[in-house]
Amino acid sequence: EPEVTQTPSHQVTQMGQEVILRCVPISNHLYFYWYRQILGQKVEFLVSFYNNEISEKSEIFDDQFSVERPDGSNFTLKIRSTKLEDSAMYFCASSSPRTGTENTEAFFGQGTRLTVV
Amino acid sequence: QQQVKQSPQSLIVQKGGISIINCAYENTAFDYFPWYQQFPGKGPALLIAIRPDVSEKKEGRFTISFNKSAKQFSLHIMDSQPGDSATYFCAASPSGGSYIPTFGRGTSLIVHP
Repeated sequence: EPEVTQTPSHQVTQMGQEVILRCVPISNHLYFYWYRQILGQKVEFLVSFYNNEISEKSEIFDDQFSVERPDGSNFTLKIRSTKLEDSAMYFCASSSPRTGTENTEAFFGQGTRLTVV
Repeated sequence: QQQVKQSPQSLIVQKGGISIINCAYENTAFDYFPWYQQFPGKGPALLIAIRPDVSEKKEGRFTISFNKSAKQFSLHIMDSQPGDSATYFCAASPSGGSYIPTFGRGTSLIVHP
């Protein structure tokens, strides 16, 4: 069964450092997403990406965040200068295009646990 | 993104009992309501979903009830099993554009044997 894969599974970084979280979406999907989940809290939308550009972003996704699809398979989330409050589980997800009124499922990766110290 | 309110935050049920989790939404543009199940250390996985043109959808022991006028929907887990112990998230997404589910805060379900 196709799956979304994320690396690394756990990243520890010092405050102020840049981190890049990597995701390989399902190969025939065209919509890509990043979500985060602070420990014990809800899953929060960060950004969606389609056709090589951001299609929607939340207020959490400020100038410290950026996303990129550097090649045909990877989708990355960069945090330029990490803060303690960026510590969370970050989930990548992908979905195939909607056809008509049909919704399509978003498939989630297993997440990257980011710890900022 | 509009809020999706979910309750309860945690739920403890005996094996064989019924687990009920409720959600309410505000945005009338939402037209797809999935429930996700998340086990520790894993990403959310789609469990069951409903569109507002039906009031109920059942898949095995899992049933979604949908009340469009009240803007509420709920997940019922019949004959709850210890293996159902997980965090459950309701979500909602609007029509048009990309699929971007807005999640509820989650319900931690524990089913005691």
